[in-house]
Amino acid sequence: QQQVKQSPQSLIVQKGGISIINCAYENTAFDYFPWYQQFPGKGPALLIAIRPDVSEKKEGRFTISFNKSAKQFSLHIMDSQPGDSATYFCAASTYGNTPLVFGKGTRLSVIA
Amino acid sequence: GAVVSQHPSRVICKSGTSVKIECRSLDFQATTMFWYRQFPKQSLMLMATSNEGSKATYEQGVEKDKFLINHASLTLSTLTVTSAHPEDSSFYICSAADRESGNTIYFGEGSWLTVV
Repeated sequence: QQQVKQSPQSLIVQKGGISIINCAYENTAFDYFPWYQQFPGKGPALLIAIRPDVSEKKEGRFTISFNKSAKQFSLHIMDSQPGDSATYFCAASTYGNTPLVFGKGTRLSVIA
Repeated sequence: GAVVSQHPSRVICKSGTSVKIECRSLDFQATTMFWYRQFPKQSLMLMATSNEGSKATYEQGVEKDKFLINHASLTLSTLTVTSAHPEDSSFYICSAADRESGNTIYFGEGSWLTVV
């Protein structure tokens, strides 16, 4: 049973457009929701993370929107650039030293 | 952000031999580290949770005698693939929880293992 469902599987966005990736979770005990960016052959890099006490968090061009009642959270990449082309993973975990549960990833391609 | 160093980044070994991969948290102490395996174009699969000074907790289906994990200090965890076979070829990634920053989890750069 997949605890974090991520969509879409792949996404093509024009340069300057908005990339939107969605995730839904099942475990209401989750209270930490990070997004990771991974380039081919590299480890995942933490992009931005949110906890359920806020509904939105913005860092530069990246914004997380969080809907606790719907158990959903999403990543918005504003003014998408070709350098943003990568695989993005959403994840969730409970507080403490518990492992992250990952979504299946979204391959983003930003075309000029 | 915090830095997690993984070594080696790439290793090729002969079938039947053992390979050790190191994971170090460079600027924070990590009581807990995690080891993942990733196949091409797939998500990360958790192999085990490594706690400093105690035995690792393995996920279902992961052979603990084949994938030996040692977390000897607050900054170092090692994964040893014993008696490696070609099917063990994969991308292995470690991560560490920085308790000083609310257990934010940072990943290493990964290690490509090729067994020939």
